[in-house]
Amino acid sequence: DVKVTQSSRYLVKRTGEKVFLECVQDMDHENMFWYRQDPGLGLRLIYFSYDVKMKEKGDIPEGYSVSREKKERFSLILESASTNQTSMYLCASRTKTSGGYYTGELFFGEGSRLTVL
Amino acid sequence: AQSVTQPDIHITVSEGASLELRCNYSYGATPYLFWYVQSPGQGLQLLLKYFSGDTLVQGIKGFEAEFKRSQSSFNLRKPSVHWSDAAEYFCAVARYTGTASKLTFGTGTRLQVTL
Repeated sequence: DVKVTQSSRYLVKRTGEKVFLECVQDMDHENMFWYRQDPGLGLRLIYFSYDVKMKEKGDIPEGYSVSREKKERFSLILESASTNQTSMYLCASRTKTSGGYYTGELFFGEGSRLTVL
Repeated sequence: AQSVTQPDIHITVSEGASLELRCNYSYGATPYLFWYVQSPGQGLQLLLKYFSGDTLVQGIKGFEAEFKRSQSSFNLRKPSVHWSDAAEYFCAVARYTGTASKLTFGTGTRLQVTL
């Protein structure tokens, strides 16, 4: 089974702190994603990476950056955390089918709930 | 830009009753459509997907969905709900299946099942 592991399930940080959220997948997937989940807003894409060292902004990248130095690891960085970044953060990964298409089946981690005080 | 609307924020059904969760999409060409489920405290899991062909697709856990182009809908159905189906359900759409393909999710429908 594909496993996507997010290093921290719960974090509490103070405004202005630098925050690292780590995500590791064990299936050699090319694509990795960071989503933010808020009640009533669903999942919104922050950043995604389609391969090592490659990244692309999603719908809400402001206040976030990412790093993908190794294929299995995708980090989300909050340079200076703010209270409006209190949220659930979901990491996901995806690979190609045998036909070379990205079928859209994302494999998700269990989420990291971040509270910024 | 593609978008997805799930008009029902919260639905309550009795165990054993049938279920239909609504999803409408906005996209000019043929979309790629998905339903995901999120159990409490868990990440999302794929229930089913539609790419082309038969407009009625079967998924896991006894769920099915029907693509109706004329109504821009992809509603999720289950004939008999079990208490373990209580969860949040997300519809999603993608424009294509290339490497940069991104999913756009709806806001979700929370399903409560009464015994």
